[in-house]
Amino acid sequence: QVQLVQSGAEVKKPGASVKVSCKASGYTFTSYDINWVRQATGQGLEWMGWMNPNSGNTGYAQKFQGRVTMTRNTSISTAYMELSSLRSEDTAVYYCASLGGRGWYFDLWGRGTLVTVSS
Amino acid sequence: QSVLTQPPSVSAAPGQKVTISCSGSSSNIGNNYVSWYQQLPGTAPKLLIYDNNKRPSGIPDRFSGSKSGTAATLGITGLQTGDEADYYCGTWDSSLSAVVFGGGTKLTVL
Repeated sequence: QVQLVQSGAEVKKPGASVKVSCKASGYTFTSYDINWVRQATGQGLEWMGWMNPNSGNTGYAQKFQGRVTMTRNTSISTAYMELSSLRSEDTAVYYCASLGGRGWYFDLWGRGTLVTVSS
Repeated sequence: QSVLTQPPSVSAAPGQKVTISCSGSSSNIGNNYVSWYQQLPGTAPKLLIYDNNKRPSGIPDRFSGSKSGTAATLGITGLQTGDEADYYCGTWDSSLSAVVFGGGTKLTVL
């Protein structure tokens, strides 16, 4: 079925990097942008950026510029989000989302990956 | 502080109707489509409304969306206990070149 399957929970130390994967199935991976949205515990949704799986083009929220990198491997229909220089405030659930349209909406979400940053 | 403003909470009795507001500006809601998401506890957000007022397949017509100027509204009729969740509005912000969300509204069905 149509789904996004994310990698498992991670625990990282401050200053380290984390790379979260998001494997698409049930639809043409290269036809829809992959977006990444994070949510700290008890907080709202925060958009991090988008990636076009076909071209590899990306766009990042200003807050994450220089710290986030979104890539993909089209041969295995998988998108990646790497966040570097982690700090405690980066502790959150990270979601990949897709199947949107020109209106910047997301009709398909992964189940989320909990990233915990702790010394 | 979120770019889009939503009430922190709303409540209503089962069977009743509730509306959730989302206020923005000309750089976001005023000139871009609005979407709405439902997030049940411990789960990923689910798309309820896109392009201001369209429902994805499988979303009941109890859920509706509208937009006027720089504000959008989500309406839910025939409230059920299963509707208790957090609701978020979202849109593109042309000044920020980013997707922005409201802070979320917790719906309680009394």
